[in-house]
Amino acid sequence: NAGVTQTPKFQVLKTGQSMTLQCAQDMNHEYMSWYRQDPGMGLRLIHYSVGAGITDQGEVPNGYNVSRSTTEDFPLRLLSAAPSQTSVYFCASEQGSSAFFGQGTRLTVV
Amino acid sequence: AQSVAQPEDQVNVAEGNPLTVKCTYSVSGNPYLFWYVQYPNRGLQFLLKYITGDNLVKGSYGFEAEFNKSQTSFHLKKPSALVSDSALYFCAVREAENFNKFYFGSGTKLNVKP
Repeated sequence: NAGVTQTPKFQVLKTGQSMTLQCAQDMNHEYMSWYRQDPGMGLRLIHYSVGAGITDQGEVPNGYNVSRSTTEDFPLRLLSAAPSQTSVYFCASEQGSSAFFGQGTRLTVV
Repeated sequence: AQSVAQPEDQVNVAEGNPLTVKCTYSVSGNPYLFWYVQYPNRGLQFLLKYITGDNLVKGSYGFEAEFNKSQTSFHLKKPSALVSDSALYFCAVREAENFNKFYFGSGTKLNVKP
């Protein structure tokens, strides 16, 4: 039981490049979500999903796309990276009222 | 609007002394309240939560938190701090009626000195 697995752990992108942050969970949780963590701002919700085939926007969705084709996977896509997207990204998976977080992806856009 | 405030960016305490990390919240419905801890280069780890019932909630590693509805607060406490408690602590809230949104405070760095 690995919990929530995020890849990669570190990534540097050039402005305008695209990439996908991967998130997988093996706990059969329906609810999954993506957050970004910025200094002095806590975690902000980007997108979330309440089950396969269902996604919705959080607080800061602009510049990000998600899909949920399976219960296990919830990838986050940056279509055209911008320096403002430099951040640490966390994926979370939930059962009941508590969330389990991955170890994060540190993304730098130059 | 829903929000969480952690008024202290940093809390310093000596090992063995009691510690308190403050959190106040604002939600339009009934709150579910949480504390998470983050160690360097790691994800968030769940400490405790308040859903309903007893206002004093006990969690992992000897931490506890008290829900105070009139003051809209959910302060994290520990009777005797350890150096290993040094980390970044986040308070979070979600509404029982709008469960999909999870709002986090900005975090408080706890420094426990030997």
